[in-house]
Amino acid sequence: EPEVTQTPSHQVTQMGQEVILRCVPISNHLYFYWYRQILGQKVEFLVSFYNNEISEKSEIFDDQFSVERPDGSNFTLKIRSTKLEDSAMYFCASSVRLTNTEAFFGQGTRLTVV
Amino acid sequence: KQEVTQIPAALSVPEGENLVLNCSFTDSAIYNLQWFRQDPGKGLTSLLLIQSSQREQTSGRLNASLDKSSGRSTLYIAASQPGDSATYLCAVPSGGYQKVTFGTGTKLQVIP
Repeated sequence: EPEVTQTPSHQVTQMGQEVILRCVPISNHLYFYWYRQILGQKVEFLVSFYNNEISEKSEIFDDQFSVERPDGSNFTLKIRSTKLEDSAMYFCASSVRLTNTEAFFGQGTRLTVV
Repeated sequence: KQEVTQIPAALSVPEGENLVLNCSFTDSAIYNLQWFRQDPGKGLTSLLLIQSSQREQTSGRLNASLDKSSGRSTLYIAASQPGDSATYLCAVPSGGYQKVTFGTGTKLQVIP
């Protein structure tokens, strides 16, 4: 069964460092998303991406964050200068269409900023 | 702004019992609702997607219902098993098609 894969599963980084979280969406999907879940809190929407551009983003997704699809298969989330409060589980998701369709989520990357 | 509430926050039941998890949302203009399972420290596994035109969706021992007009969905789990122990999340589209709002989840423990 096709699945969304994320790497790494766990990343530890020092505050102020840049991190790149990687995702390989399901191959025929066109819409891509990043969500995050701070420990003990709700899963929160960060950004959606379609046709090589951001289509919607939340207030969390500030200038420290960026996304790209560098090679037509990977979908990445970059955090330029990590803060302690960026520590969270980051989930990538993809869907084949925009509406009336199921979103498939990856297993997440646990980011720990120290 | 879409708000999603799940009740109860935690539930502990003996194995074999049938149970119902509740989800309510404030903006009923949704086109689907999705139920997920999350194991501790793990990712999200999609359980059921119920379209706005449907009232029920079934998968194995799971049955999800949707009442758009009242802003409610339920997830029914029949004959619960210890392997069902996890946090169950409901999620609905909010403000636009692309953003999904998640509930806080119901943490289920099934005792052998």
